[in-house]
Amino acid sequence: KQEVTQIPAALSVPEGENLVLNCSFTDSAIYNLQWFRQDPGKGLTSLLLIQSSQREQTSGRLNASLDKSSGRSTLYIAASQPGDSATYLCAVPINNAGNMLTFGGGTRLMVKP
Amino acid sequence: DTEVTQTPKHLVMGMTNKKSLKCEQHMGHRAMYWYKQKAKKPPELMFVYSYEKLSINESVPSRFSPECPNSSLLNLHLHALQPEDSALYLCASSPSLAPGGLRPQHFGDGTRLSIL
Repeated sequence: KQEVTQIPAALSVPEGENLVLNCSFTDSAIYNLQWFRQDPGKGLTSLLLIQSSQREQTSGRLNASLDKSSGRSTLYIAASQPGDSATYLCAVPINNAGNMLTFGGGTRLMVKP
Repeated sequence: DTEVTQTPKHLVMGMTNKKSLKCEQHMGHRAMYWYKQKAKKPPELMFVYSYEKLSINESVPSRFSPECPNSSLLNLHLHALQPEDSALYLCASSPSLAPGGLRPQHFGDGTRLSIL
């Protein structure tokens, strides 16, 4: 059974810092990995999706990397801003039968002005 | 604005009530999902529909009854719920269930359900 873990569970940084969020998964036979952002009381917003054949994806100040062999992904946020404060979740397909996702526990990020 | 619309945004109901949650998308997606999310926990998959047919039921109690009347709509009928069913219920959609490729799931903002 695929298990996804995220560390740290919570992170508080001053504005402007570069930071790294970590995600690990137990079954490396994945088709893709997705990073989401969730604001309090809201749904999930897809940030980046990395296919298994890719090593990284970039969107603005966000960069996600994937190392399938070691079962790890990182989300790098450059020059953090207070508006980045949210919970960040990584997710992989539950199995390789489709798009059903299993999520990590999330990292709650607070960026202080 | 989200492309997956869920109504109502908030719902308070007693344990004997019957209510329904609704989800709508107009992106032409043929796979739709219900997830349950407790406070400070990640979403957990409940049901999956593919081409309007129930594909997966993750051992959800029968007091939750999903329905997919057409390719754009997904309902979750609720009856005789328990206080522990209080949670955020999220709907999502994707082009298909086919694995691989650039097929991210799109989520709605959820319905926050409180059982008295």
